[in-house]
Amino acid sequence: DIVMTQSPDSLAVSLGERATINCKSSQSVLYSSNNKNYLAWYQQKPGQPPKLLIYWASTRESGVPDRFSGSGSGTDFTLTISSLQAEDVAVYYCQQYYNTPYGFGQGTKLEIK
Amino acid sequence: EVQLLESGGDLVQPGGSLRLSCAASGFTFSNYAMTWVRQAPGKGLEWVSAISASGGDTFYANSVKGRFTISRDNSKSTLYLQMNSLRAEDTAVYYCAKDITGDWPRGVFDIWGQGTMVTVSS
Repeated sequence: DIVMTQSPDSLAVSLGERATINCKSSQSVLYSSNNKNYLAWYQQKPGQPPKLLIYWASTRESGVPDRFSGSGSGTDFTLTISSLQAEDVAVYYCQQYYNTPYGFGQGTKLEIK
Repeated sequence: EVQLLESGGDLVQPGGSLRLSCAASGFTFSNYAMTWVRQAPGKGLEWVSAISASGGDTFYANSVKGRFTISRDNSKSTLYLQMNSLRAEDTAVYYCAKDITGDWPRGVFDIWGQGTMVTVSS
């Protein structure tokens, strides 16, 4: 099974500042035949289900603000929020869909400093 | 409006059984693979099971293989999860989710239900 590990476990950032969350997979999730990274990011606010933010490592889901961006390839990925807003307080999860069992990272809790 | 509504969660004793349902609306259910994801209290997300659009192909996490069965009724736009031999570690909120594209599970989940709580305890 592919194991996903996020860092840090929690993060406090000032409003308007940049937030960066890292995700590492235990093996590459880059599929060579199509050169795509099978990596998604989700946001979960308290009491709510997860919300898809990004897939293919860097493709924003429709309606997701452009302050959210994803990058990386192979085994190392990053979710960046360019200018933190109050509504971005949440837990963020990366997830690999290279193969089953699909695996999620343990989550990163993002708070306002 | 695209919507998923889970039901069937309950308190059940260890070793017991439960069937969860997920009613879909607002999209052509029969065109999309579906999945179940669970979240233990205060913990992270764990993928449980997926099913192709036709229902002919199913996939399971090792932790539930042989105990849980995913199925669907496309005529009723409903997804199911039959859970047998339940254990305390199965206690979680169970979410159903729609796969983003196509009839084969892609593994990207763009629509989620609100979840239903399953508690396994004596």
